[in-house]
Amino acid sequence: GAVVSQHPSWVICKSGTSVKIECRSLDFQATTMFWYRQFPKQSLMLMATSNEGSKATYEQGVEKDKFLINHASLTLSTLTVTSAHPEDSSFYICSAPSRAGTGELFFGEGSRLTVL
Amino acid sequence: AQTVTQSQPEMSVQEAETVTLSCTYDTSESDYYLFWYKQPPSRQMILVIRQEAYKQQNATENRFSVNFQKAAKSFSLKISDSQLGDAAMYFCAYSHITGNQFYFGTGTSLTVIP
Repeated sequence: GAVVSQHPSWVICKSGTSVKIECRSLDFQATTMFWYRQFPKQSLMLMATSNEGSKATYEQGVEKDKFLINHASLTLSTLTVTSAHPEDSSFYICSAPSRAGTGELFFGEGSRLTVL
Repeated sequence: AQTVTQSQPEMSVQEAETVTLSCTYDTSESDYYLFWYKQPPSRQMILVIRQEAYKQQNATENRFSVNFQKAAKSFSLKISDSQLGDAAMYFCAYSHITGNQFYFGTGTSLTVIP
């Protein structure tokens, strides 16, 4: 089946630095990718929808200047957390919709960010 | 916007027994997709089962089956012969027919008791 790979799985950074998370579709082209944030024991919260070749669409309440999303190619979307703060510590998951018309989402492994 | 409701934050089941997880949703669309995803401690989201709204027949995948009641907007998941590896967070999800809008429920944490 289709595979989405996310990197890094774990990242620890100092407050004030920026961190980049990559999401790749390995065996299919993804014109759209979704970025989620998940707090412990909670559901996935959609942050933004990245679109290849155009600006990402952010959900209400998500700071677009803090969470920079770039979808430079049909197989790669990146999320950059800028000037990270401890409250940005969370689990971030990317996903891409199936292009086979099944409505299914394929998920990356997720990235755990800890900001010290 | 569509909403997905899971009214059971936590459930438990004895190993080898059967458990049913509930899910209701709200939509004005007539065609859409419904899913159950499993998120084990590794936190990798895994597709358990998928249902197309235009199909009346309930989907089945080995020990997993659904009870899809379109008029009632209900989509429950039945896990038969529960195994320790079934312990996870289960999310019910709704997808617009285009696949570009996806909505998750709040999740049900399933514990399997040996």
